[in-house]
Amino acid sequence: GQQLNQSPQSMFIQEGEDVSMNCTSSSIFNTWLWYKQDPGEGPVLLIALYKAGELTSNGRLTAQFGITRKDSFLNISASIPSDVGIYFCAGIKAAGNKLTFGGGTRVLVKP
Amino acid sequence: DADVTQTPRNRITKTGKRIMLECSQTKGHDRMYWYRQDPGLGLRLIYYSFDVKDINKGEISDGYSVSRQAQAKFSLSLESAIPNQTALYFCATSTSGVQETQYFGPGTRLLVL
Repeated sequence: GQQLNQSPQSMFIQEGEDVSMNCTSSSIFNTWLWYKQDPGEGPVLLIALYKAGELTSNGRLTAQFGITRKDSFLNISASIPSDVGIYFCAGIKAAGNKLTFGGGTRVLVKP
Repeated sequence: DADVTQTPRNRITKTGKRIMLECSQTKGHDRMYWYRQDPGLGLRLIYYSFDVKDINKGEISDGYSVSRQAQAKFSLSLESAIPNQTALYFCATSTSGVQETQYFGPGTRLLVL
């Protein structure tokens, strides 16, 4: 079963806002990956994290590998309409092991 | 050109039919994976292969089979399709090693009537 708890499940954004989402687990992971999926497309890798405590940015995106290795968060600064989509966290427990996915955070635009 | 391609992109079939979904990659990766995604859910692993002679079951392999014809090709078959196999199917590839990252294809949308 799913071992990664991702929250929130969905959120509304207003252009210009910062948004955050996180992923937690009761297990230790050695790698954390963050993906974005647009409707009808495959997940696209945003950020990869390989060391506990690591903080990595990709444009307006910043992700951190939690110090306990049991969590990770993703922050989007100054959101824009094209940030809409589903964001997935994924973890790998050991090199060569399988990827475990969170349930996803659906980001929507405030009406 | 896309590094990971899947064919077909969309498929409608009937219960009991055998179908095959194809995946090809030009990334030169050893490892390939098949996932399914159901509405509102994350991805679940069906089968994976770490090289041409290696095939492993994932968490939901029942009703599916795979073939790794070459390093670049990994096919998923539904021997006798059933309606609850209606889903989005994704192929992925990765390198081996400590800094492993998976790259996904565009997906195949399958509808079983």
